[in-house]
Amino acid sequence: EAGVAQSPRYKIIEKRQSVAFWCNPISGHATLYWYQQILGQGPKLLIQFQNNGVVDDSQLPKDRFSAERLKGVDSTLKIQPAKLEDSAVYLCASNPRGGTSSVDEQYFGPGTRLTVT
Amino acid sequence: AQKITQTQPGMFVQEKEAVTLDCTYDTSDPSYGLFWYKQPSSGEMIFLIYQGSYDQQNATEGRYSLNFQKARKSANLVISASQLGDSAMYFCAMREGQHTGYSTLTFGKGTMLLVSP
Repeated sequence: EAGVAQSPRYKIIEKRQSVAFWCNPISGHATLYWYQQILGQGPKLLIQFQNNGVVDDSQLPKDRFSAERLKGVDSTLKIQPAKLEDSAVYLCASNPRGGTSSVDEQYFGPGTRLTVT
Repeated sequence: AQKITQTQPGMFVQEKEAVTLDCTYDTSDPSYGLFWYKQPSSGEMIFLIYQGSYDQQNATEGRYSLNFQKARKSANLVISASQLGDSAMYFCAMREGQHTGYSTLTFGKGTMLLVSP
């Protein structure tokens, strides 16, 4: 079974530029998550999708961040315009349901390391 | 208040020895789950072990065991017979909201484990 795919793996941009990240979850997984992991910290949830719909975007800075999940499969996360403090690793994860039963752990992609200069 | 607290920024252990990584949590949700993830320098998050709030027995997975003390709200990870490949960041995470039909995962700040020969 293929894992969660993310691209690009690394991105360097200047502040005020825009950037987009792509995620392809494990086939058949209904729930998709985007996390931001700043150096030295644990991942912080930005947005959670259940199929096509958003179920939690309470920590997404909506003035500059946006995300969509087309046809309940792939997802893109966009930052426009980027700030220095957006430098982080952006992790995508998926799980088969909503993480509501038993283990149902999240499967993580390799992440995209963003550096904003 | 922090939902997940990992008080050890770094831990050192010699190969073949056991090590305990601490995690305390805070929730008013009666149904929750506790996870431990490993993050090597390559960046991917690897699921290690899970403990449900209603599980009577402490979880075990190979060399990993979870010392779950519900009254103290602690979920410490015990790694027995450490190996050099265990050197990594370790994150404790809590899942809440299972009764809502979807759940969220909150991570601690992590503990860096270094295993020496």
